[in-house]
Amino acid sequence: QSALTQPASVSGSPGQSITISCTGTSSDVGGYNVVSWYQQHPGKAPKLMIYEVSERPSGVSNRFSGSKSGNTASLTISGLQAEDEAAYYCCSFAGSSTWIFGGGTKLTVL
Amino acid sequence: QVQLQESGPGLVKPSETLSLTCTVSGASFNGFYWSWVRQPPGKGLEWIGHIYYSANTFYNPSLESRVTISVDTSKNVFSLKVNSVTAADTAVYYCARGVYDALIDRWGQGTLVTVSS
Repeated sequence: QSALTQPASVSGSPGQSITISCTGTSSDVGGYNVVSWYQQHPGKAPKLMIYEVSERPSGVSNRFSGSKSGNTASLTISGLQAEDEAAYYCCSFAGSSTWIFGGGTKLTVL
Repeated sequence: QVQLQESGPGLVKPSETLSLTCTVSGASFNGFYWSWVRQPPGKGLEWIGHIYYSANTFYNPSLESRVTISVDTSKNVFSLKVNSVTAADTAVYYCARGVYDALIDRWGQGTLVTVSS
């Protein structure tokens, strides 16, 4: 089970929008609409930001949105803020009740 | 309020068994995926496995031969054992509650386990 592919790092200035990709295969990302995104600040546990590709949990800012096309899911953060600086991980269902995470992307707010 | 707390040794010798327990408060065990996720220092998250409805276990294929997850609902805990550990098993280990596939809504604070002689 290889990790889903994410860019190691992305950056943007306050107010801008950025998109983080998460590429898998037809056996995971492409095969199911079950992709979540997690935000992790240093030394902290991850926090759920998006589930089922594009759904936002209660309390998560509508600046965060998700989408999917084929084997690639994407997380978009609009109106970047300093507190968005963190690592972001995608996670997908991979069949037979197994899950797989992406390698993680470090977002830097310039 | 649902809370999860990991406990167990912070240091394990190579070739021995890593054992961790997660104490759950404020939640019933039924209907959730009680999961373990680990994160080597400076690296990404890795799903280890989960137990569902107290009996059905599912593991990361790359770890399946060395991992066991179990639950004791009478004590409100679930546990992780990893056999034959090496330095590559050094990581922060998180216990977590999944409410749906790939959807984790509660995490423990994480506990660092170092494999070293």
